[in-house]
Formats: sequence, C-alpha cells, structure tokens
Amino acid sequence: NAGVTQTPKFQVLKTGQSMTLQCAQDMNHEYMSWYRQDPGMGLRLIHYSVGAGITDQGEVPNGYNVSRSTTEDFPLRLLSAAPSQTSVYFCASSSQYEQYFGPGTRLTVT
Amino acid sequence: AQSVTQLGSHVSVSEGALVLLRCNYSSSVPPYLFWYVQYPNQGLQLLLKYTTGATLVKGINGFEAEFKKSETSFHLTKPSAHMSDAAEYFCAVSDRFGNEKLTFGTGTRLTIIP
Repeated sequence: NAGVTQTPKFQVLKTGQSMTLQCAQDMNHEYMSWYRQDPGMGLRLIHYSVGAGITDQGEVPNGYNVSRSTTEDFPLRLLSAAPSQTSVYFCASSSQYEQYFGPGTRLTVT
Repeated sequence: AQSVTQLGSHVSVSEGALVLLRCNYSSSVPPYLFWYVQYPNQGLQLLLKYTTGATLVKGINGFEAEFKKSETSFHLTKPSAHMSDAAEYFCAVSDRFGNEKLTFGTGTRLTIIP
C-alpha cells in the first residue's frame, strides 16, 4: 500500500513549456485534489475531483488543467508554464474526514 | 465562504514548555476542523480532527485541541514540547463531511529551544 505517490519530485521548466505532474493513489478513494504551497500563504486548492470523470475548480485554477479518467490517477497539467507557477505542489486523496497527502513536487519556472 | 486565521507565523518555545498554537475559523455552517503537521521537505500529516461530538480532541504525538464554538477557535496544545515537535503546523476547515475543499491557514512554524 503506497498511499499517494507523486512524480517527479523536482522539475525545472522554462517559461512557456508544458508538463504534467503525476499523482496516483492505491486506496480506492473517490475524492482527490491538487494544492500549491507558497511561503506565507499556506496551501491553496487548485482543482479537485469527486470521482472518475468529475472535476471542478478550486481557489486558484488559472493556468492548470486536470482530468480524472480512473479512480487511481489525477494528473495536473501546466499548458504554458509561467514564473508565477513556481511552487511546491501537493496531491491528496481523501476518505471520510481525512486527507492523505503525497510527498510533493517542487517546480521551478525560469 | 470559509476562512482560517493562524495567529503567529513563528512560535518559539523552550523544550519542556507548553506549546500553544492559535487557530480561529470562520464558517457559515458547522465546521469540521483539522490540524496538520509538515516536517521539512515532506508532505502534510494529520495530527487531529474535530467532526462532531466531544469538543476536546486528542491527536498523535501528545497534541490536543479544543473546539470552542463561542470563540470560533480550535487552538492546538501540547503540555511539554520536544525537540522533535519542530515543524510547520497548519489549521484547516472543511465545509462538507471533512473530505472536500479544505481551506488552510497560512501556517505556524514552531521552533523548539534546547
């Protein structure tokens, strides 16, 4: 039981490049979400999903896309990276009353 | 809309002293409240949660928190600080069933003085 896994752990992008942050969970949770963490701002919700085929926007969705084709996977796509997207990204999956977080992806956009 | 305010972005306590981290929330519906801990370069780990029932909640590592509706507070305490408690702590509130759309506070970094 690996819990929530994220790849890559570190990534450097140039402005305008695209990439996908991968997230997978093996706990059969319906609810998954993506957060970004910036110094002094806590964690902010980017997108979330309540099940396969269902996604919705969180607090800071601009510049990010998501899809949920399976229960296990919830990738986050950056279509055209910007320096403002430099951050640490956390994926989480949830059972009732508790969210389980992945180890994070540290992304730098130059 | 919900919000969380954590008073004090940095808190320092001596080893063996009381730890008190403050959290106040705003919610239009009965809240579910959480405290998470983050150690350096790691993800978040749940310390404790309040959903319904007893307002004094005990968590892992000797931490506890009390839900006070009249004060809209959910402060985190530990009677005696250990060096291993040094980390960043986040208070969070949920609007439905505790598993959707967590709103986090900005965090409090706890430093333990030997």
